[in-house]
Amino acid sequence: GDSVTQMEGPVTLSEEAFLTINCTYTATGYPSLFWYVQYPGEGLQLLLKATKADDKGSNKGFEATYRKETTSFHLEKGSVQVSDSAVYFCALRDNTDKLIFGTGTRLQVFP
Amino acid sequence: DAGITQSPRHKVTETGTPVTLRCHQTENHRYMYWYRQDPGHGLRLIHYSYGVKDTDKGEVSDGYSVSRSKTEDFLLTLESATSSQTSVYFCAISESLSNQPQHFGDGTRLSIL
Repeated sequence: GDSVTQMEGPVTLSEEAFLTINCTYTATGYPSLFWYVQYPGEGLQLLLKATKADDKGSNKGFEATYRKETTSFHLEKGSVQVSDSAVYFCALRDNTDKLIFGTGTRLQVFP
Repeated sequence: DAGITQSPRHKVTETGTPVTLRCHQTENHRYMYWYRQDPGHGLRLIHYSYGVKDTDKGEVSDGYSVSRSKTEDFLLTLESATSSQTSVYFCAISESLSNQPQHFGDGTRLSIL
C-alpha cells in the first residue's frame, strides 16, 4: 500500500539556520502531497500542499517541491525561528482520497 | 481556525470500561474523521463519515465504533477499553474528499489503566 517515510528526529537547529526535513513516498498514481505542522498541545495544521509533479507549495517561509522522479517532497526553510519548533508531518492523499501520514519529525530551534 | 471542538480533552479510565469521545463542528462540513496518534506511527485513521449515518472503517478500526446522527457531531466509542487504546485522538473535518485539506481539532488524550 501507499506509504510516507520521513527522516527521524529530533532535528535540532540554532535560530536562523537552514532547515531540511526529508520526505519520500510510495504510491500508485500521482497523489497530492501535504506538510502539516503540530505545535505543542494542538492539532495538526496544514502548512502547505502540492497537487502535481513540479508544483511548489509554500507558506510562512517554508517550501516543498513535488519531485515525481525521486518520489520526494522535502520541506525547507531558509532561516528558522524559535517559534518554528514543532512536529512536522508529511502526508499524501491516496487513490481512495484518504490521508496517509508519515511518523512526524520533531524540530527544536534554540536561540 | 476551523470550528472543531473535541471533548473531553483529557480522560483517564480503567480497562474494560466504555468510553465515548465527541467531536463537534460548526463548519457544516460533510466529512469527519477520527485518528489516533502514537509515537512511531504518526496519525492513523480509525473511522470516517461521509454524511449523517454514513460511516466507514479506516486502517485501525478494531475495537472502535462511531456514530453520526447529526452533521455537526461525530462520536467515537470504545466499547471495552484496553491499554493498547491509550493514545491521543484527533478529529478532523473536510468539505470534500479531493482537493480539500482536512482541519483538525486539538485532540483528546486518553489513558487507559
